[in-house]
Amino acid sequence: SAVISQKPSRDICQRGTSLTIQCQVDSQVTMMFWYRQQPGQSLTLIATANQGSEATYESGFVIDKFPISRPNLTFSTLTVSNMSPEDSSIYLCSADGGSGYEQYFGPGTRLTVT
Amino acid sequence: GESVGLHLPTLSVQEGDNSIINCAYSNSASDYFIWYKQESGKGPQFIIDIRSNMDKRQGQRVTVLLNKTVKHLSLQIAATQPGDSAVYFCAETRPNSGYALNFGKGTSLLVTP
Repeated sequence: SAVISQKPSRDICQRGTSLTIQCQVDSQVTMMFWYRQQPGQSLTLIATANQGSEATYESGFVIDKFPISRPNLTFSTLTVSNMSPEDSSIYLCSADGGSGYEQYFGPGTRLTVT
Repeated sequence: GESVGLHLPTLSVQEGDNSIINCAYSNSASDYFIWYKQESGKGPQFIIDIRSNMDKRQGQRVTVLLNKTVKHLSLQIAATQPGDSAVYFCAETRPNSGYALNFGKGTSLLVTP
């Protein structure tokens, strides 16, 4: 299984600003994913990020709002742009396990927008 | 649209008892299912998975059962311990979308002494 870390673990930001979340995997992985989770709720996929190609966004999420980078096989970033209080959530990255469909998750970034 | 949902939002069990967490899915074309455990303040932790060509799979103290006829998935935890207290999610792969997962709503398991 992959070990995944995220930075920052939490942040409080003002509306209108942007925050970039970093995700680091301890091994090379093909696919990385970004999810959003409202407190007490389930996970919603934002986008899939494969190295060497543009991220694939889910319905309701756009690149201008959530630009993603995937510069190599162990790292990805998600930026939450022009934030509003509605963006307050937990943002999680995950990576494929390399041997199947299983995904392993980072600890999450808890974002509060004031 | 297609969805994965859970029958019970909360489940309280006594320490030492067996726990059963249920999940209904609606997409008969899903070919892979995963159970995750999420403790407070942490990311989801992979527990066990099962492919659609299987009915049952066992791990350490956990068993996943898949009933494709009624599109039902369950997670059984034997001899439940306080450390099992968490929210449990089922997830399914989306047909024709590679490795993307749909997550269910989650069941909160509380283990009482």
